[in-house]
Amino acid sequence: VQLVESGGGLVKPGGSLRLSCAASGFTFSSYTMNWVRQAPGKGLEWVSSISGSSSYIYYADSVKGRFTISRDNAKNSLYLQMNSLRAEDTAVYYCARGSSSWLEYWGQGTLVTVSS
Amino acid sequence: QSVLTQPPSASGTPGQRVTISCSGSSSNIGSNTVNWYQQVPGTAPKLLIYSNNQRPSGVPDRFSGSKSGTSASLAISGLQSEDEADYYCAAWDDSRSGWVFGGGTKLTVL
Repeated sequence: VQLVESGGGLVKPGGSLRLSCAASGFTFSSYTMNWVRQAPGKGLEWVSSISGSSSYIYYADSVKGRFTISRDNAKNSLYLQMNSLRAEDTAVYYCARGSSSWLEYWGQGTLVTVSS
Repeated sequence: QSVLTQPPSASGTPGQRVTISCSGSSSNIGSNTVNWYQQVPGTAPKLLIYSNNQRPSGVPDRFSGSKSGTSASLAISGLQSEDEADYYCAAWDDSRSGWVFGGGTKLTVL
């Protein structure tokens, strides 16, 4: 199992960014995928989850209405479209594969910095 | 303010047994299983314990988990220097329809 995030970078407040997570080594469409973030020096915070068929999508209140999770099972890829970014969205964003009731595999993360 | 409550720090000497607590509520730990993650600074979290007390392949049996009511705990026996890391508990929260994490416990091996 390999999860590789990309798309992070420096963006101004109010700006947008799209993160990607390339998955390999498993049947991507069979698993719920998740985004979890970690602000510098802080703990883990769940951001969003999407079921294998995209039928079920959940967001943390802190990003609801600003972030959109999606996936392309044909491309084995997970995405996070982030709009109206704020300084408090600055974090390392991890994608994680869900297995039953746990987050089993994590990518190495991509850093998003929101600053003017 | 994290939904699950963990002590910010814990410590022990090599060979000792250390426990880390995690307190939640009826909507998370009280109704769902608890998982524990280990994170060495600068690296991604790694699943350490799932379904309250199950160890993924490759995790030493020095690590064990338990759950009772709305609380859970992680025990590390035979403490080793390589165990120095941050530890997070997590559970699905039915009220929030999302994962909730503890604030993390920094384990120092003295």
